[in-house]
Amino acid sequence: GENVEQHPSTLSVQEGDSAVIKCTYSDSASNYFPWYKQELGKGPQLIIDIRSNVGEKKDQRIAVTLNKTAKHFSLHITETQPEDSAVYFCAASYTNAGKSTFGDGTTLTVKP
Amino acid sequence: GAVVSQHPSRVICKSGTSVKIECRSLDFQATTMFWYRQFPKQSLMLMATSNEGSKATYEQGVEKDKFLINHASLTLSTLTVTSAHPEDSSFYICSAREGFPDTQYFGPGTRLTVL
Repeated sequence: GENVEQHPSTLSVQEGDSAVIKCTYSDSASNYFPWYKQELGKGPQLIIDIRSNVGEKKDQRIAVTLNKTAKHFSLHITETQPEDSAVYFCAASYTNAGKSTFGDGTTLTVKP
Repeated sequence: GAVVSQHPSRVICKSGTSVKIECRSLDFQATTMFWYRQFPKQSLMLMATSNEGSKATYEQGVEKDKFLINHASLTLSTLTVTSAHPEDSSFYICSAREGFPDTQYFGPGTRLTVL
């Protein structure tokens, strides 16, 4: 089955700096890669996703890049703010797979 | 964006009782719903996948007689924890997915504490 590895497990940055979280996947059939943000005591919230037919997608301060050949994808957050502090999860799946495989999460701390 | 609700948000029960958690997709029809369990500072552990009108598919190691899942309609799935014990205490999260695109939207979670 699919295996997703996420790193780093913890990341601390200064407000205004950029943060990058990377994930690798094992199943070349995977074609959908979402990123979720989870705040303490809440459910994960979808923040951005990318499909295998594109290499990059951007939404304001958040961007995701995908390298299908290397089977890795990354989340980029620019101009970080304290409210970006949370746990971020990546995931991988393929159409009609039935389920997604999640990374272990990255705890991002943005220091004011 | 799509909204998924869960009820209750928190529940405390005595050992041996059963607890039902509801998951609803509020503004879309969910062909598939998922139930996850999350321990502190850990990732999401998939418990089961349910499709409307059919039996849930449970992940290996998840007791289907203990965690009863019913997906009665395209907007409602329920998880019943039967004969709950303290080790069942956890954060339970559901998610719902439309047919296409296959994006999953998560509920806010239910904190279960079994005394």
